[in-house]
Amino acid sequence: QVHLVASGGGVVQPGRSLRLSCAATELTFSRSGMHWVRQAPGKGLEWVADISYEGTNKYYADSVKGRFTISRDNSKNTLYLQMNSLRPEDTGVYYCAKDTSGWYLYYMDVWGIGTTVTVSS
Amino acid sequence: QSALTQPASVSGSLGQSITITCTGTGNDIGGYNFVSWYQQHPGKVPKFLIYDVSQRPSGVSNRFSGSKSGNTASLTISGLQAEDEADYYCCSYTRSSTLVFGGGTKLTV
Repeated sequence: QVHLVASGGGVVQPGRSLRLSCAATELTFSRSGMHWVRQAPGKGLEWVADISYEGTNKYYADSVKGRFTISRDNSKNTLYLQMNSLRPEDTGVYYCAKDTSGWYLYYMDVWGIGTTVTVSS
Repeated sequence: QSALTQPASVSGSLGQSITITCTGTGNDIGGYNFVSWYQQHPGKVPKFLIYDVSQRPSGVSNRFSGSKSGNTASLTISGLQAEDEADYYCCSYTRSSTLVFGGGTKLTV
């Protein structure tokens, strides 16, 4: 069973950048597609981005396209989310999640402990 | 990428059955059978409940079932138990190759 732990969250001013990491404990990470999902305080889940197992296919929600970049390093079993030009509405808990597939990314079967991002002046 | 539409809340009594609906468009739910459901207890990580509209992952109780008709997917929970009280989210693949969640439904038992 893959275990995921997200880190890198914190308090940042609007317009600044932050990079989140998600460390996976199992070797199956390199064969799995991965997602970032966020949840604003008291609100619902919002899908942010996903990436195929080998990193070639990446898709983004309209709300973050052009500002966020998802990437992975399979040699380190780690997923990343580079967040630039941050806005107050980006505030929330960010979860990383493993897909059931490596290529056709539809479902998130393992979720990590999230990391909290607060964008405020 | 508008969120899928779910009722904000539903309620039911112990042992009863409830259904949560999730309405989208032909660009998401209506166009694909890649619909999933997630359960989230307060302060906890979401749990994978249903995939491919109606399939249950290993370990998920058969009290949870899913279906779809046109642009609307549904999650039915039968034999309600106290531990079913949680937030439930639907999710669908979209024509843009992205995913979109519903706004979430709070179930009170």
